[in-house]
Amino acid sequence: GAVVSQHPSWVICKSGTSVKIECRSLDFQATTMFWYRQFPKQSLMLMATSNEGSKATYEQGVEKDKFLINHASLTLSTLTVTSAHPEDSSFYICSGAGGVGETQYFGPGTRLLVL
Amino acid sequence: QKEVEQDPGPLSVPEGAIVSLNCTYSNSAFQYFMWYRQYSRKGPELLMYTYSSGNKEDGRFTAQVDKSSKYISLFIRDSQPSDSATYLCAMRSTGTASKLTFGTGTRLQVTL
Repeated sequence: GAVVSQHPSWVICKSGTSVKIECRSLDFQATTMFWYRQFPKQSLMLMATSNEGSKATYEQGVEKDKFLINHASLTLSTLTVTSAHPEDSSFYICSGAGGVGETQYFGPGTRLLVL
Repeated sequence: QKEVEQDPGPLSVPEGAIVSLNCTYSNSAFQYFMWYRQYSRKGPELLMYTYSSGNKEDGRFTAQVDKSSKYISLFIRDSQPSDSATYLCAMRSTGTASKLTFGTGTRLQVTL
């Protein structure tokens, strides 16, 4: 299957700092990338959808000024959590779509802990 | 009512058992159906992808779709401890890379 990577896999930061998470499709071109957030023992919550070269579309309740998404190329999307606070601590997962059948392939996730 | 219903479990079975995981949905626009496996602290891994009613087999896994009943299933034969994970059903309507709607996930534990 198609491979998506995320970096970093783990990040710990102080409250008030900004954190950038990279999502790369390694062996296919992802025309659309998705960013999810997942709390323990819960399903994935879609945060935003981004298409290469376009502004991201955010889900209701997600602050676009806090979660900045850039989809600069067909293989790279970034999520920047600005001025992170402890309540932003979560598991962030990206996915890319663009392979056969346009189904989504997920990255391994990034665990963010804000102290 | 949620668009996709999935029993959260946990479901505990002995090694070698046949496992049946199920989801029901209410939106008839859903045409593409997926099963993902998610290990703890990892991203979901695509197991099966189907778009027509009927069965699709891949190794020990069989995905079944019944669009008339709005019901999908995943069967795991000869279950192994390594199958212990959360299984998420997901579905979407037609359209390029449209959003997925997920079930809540079923936690499966395969015991020795």
